[in-house]
Formats: sequence, C-alpha cells, structure tokens
Amino acid sequence: KAGVTQTPRYLIKTRGQQVTLSCSPISGHRSVSWYQQTPGQGLQFLFEYFSETQRNKGNFPGRFSGRQFSNSRSEMNVSTLELGDSALYLCASSGRQGPGNTIYFGEGSWLTVV
Amino acid sequence: AQSVTQPDIHITVSEGASLELRCNYSYGATPYLFWYVQSPGQGLQLLLKYFSGDTLVQGIKGFEAEFKRSQSSFNLRKPSVHWSDAAEYFCAVGESYNTDKLIFGTGTRLQVFP
Repeated sequence: KAGVTQTPRYLIKTRGQQVTLSCSPISGHRSVSWYQQTPGQGLQFLFEYFSETQRNKGNFPGRFSGRQFSNSRSEMNVSTLELGDSALYLCASSGRQGPGNTIYFGEGSWLTVV
Repeated sequence: AQSVTQPDIHITVSEGASLELRCNYSYGATPYLFWYVQSPGQGLQLLLKYFSGDTLVQGIKGFEAEFKRSQSSFNLRKPSVHWSDAAEYFCAVGESYNTDKLIFGTGTRLQVFP
C-alpha cells in the first residue's frame, strides 16, 4: 500500500510568485493535514481537511490556502511568496478523525524562495 | 493550550548504549501522544502512539515509550542504540479528540558514535 505522496519534492521559486503543492493520501484515507517545518519555528500546523471540508486552520496569513478534492487528494497554495516561506511542507493523512487515530506523513516538499 | 516540551535539543550516545528521550506535555484531559522520527531530508515516520490502555507502548525499530500521567511525561526509550538511529525525534500531542492537528515539540537531535 503506497504511503502519502507529495509532489513536487523540490522546487525553487522567486519572491512574489505563487506555488501549488500536491498531496495524495494513503488509499482510503479521507483526512489530510498540512504542516510547515522551518529551523526557526519548527513544525507548525497549516490546515486540515476531511471529506473536502476544511476542519481546522493554523495561524498563517491568508496567502496560504488549501483545498481537498473528492478523491481526497489535497493541494496547498502559497501566493505572493516571501523569503520566509522557504520551508519543508509536510502532508499527513489518516483514515478517520478521533481518538486512537494513526497519522502518517509524506516525505515533504522542499520549497526554496529566492 | 496544549503544548509539548522536549528539554534536550541534542543528545549524543555511543552505539549499544541505552537511550531515553524526554517529552513533557500540557493537556487538560487524557492526551493523545505520538513519537515521530525524521532522518535528514526526509519526512516524519511514526514510531509509536498512545491514546489509552497500557501505559507502556511498544513501537517500531525496538523503541518503547511510557506514559506517566503524574509527571505529564511520555519519554521514549531504546535499550541498545544502533548507528542508524541517528536522526531527529519529535514528540507530539493531539490538539483534541476530533481533529488530526498535532502540536509538536521542538525535537531532539540524536547523534550516535561508533
């Protein structure tokens, strides 16, 4: 069974551009969440989707957005990129929400903003 | 608000020695706890999780963790460390029972000497 798949793995963007990252959850999983990892701030929650609905959102500016499709695949978008957006973006999926849940992470997408 | 503290930023051990990584949490009810490991340039791999039941949890790669409610701790242990265990270890707590949002600690980097 394939794990959480994130594309692209590496990308370089210029300040002011926008970027879209994709996440394919484990087959059968309906919950997808996104995290940003930086050396200075560590792992920070971005948002969470379940059955195409955003269930939770972290404390990030409106430039960060996401969505989930009917097949549970998810995308996140960052507009008007800033240098500080350089980070590893991690996607996670789970089969359900609630106690005892197991949350699996992908390998991440490395974004460098120059 | 929930929080996780990993007091040790960096730990160095010799191969074959025992290991204990500390994790303290702040949570009002019974917490939902995880340990993840991250190798350089990689995503997060789940080592083990605790929700309820036996307070000593067995995980993959020979790791175990013990939940101690009285000490608000969930320390990770391994009796004999291998060089391949060198990585960064993250403790996390689920924000609540109806979300996949995790609150992560700042991580502990493990270095293993031959």
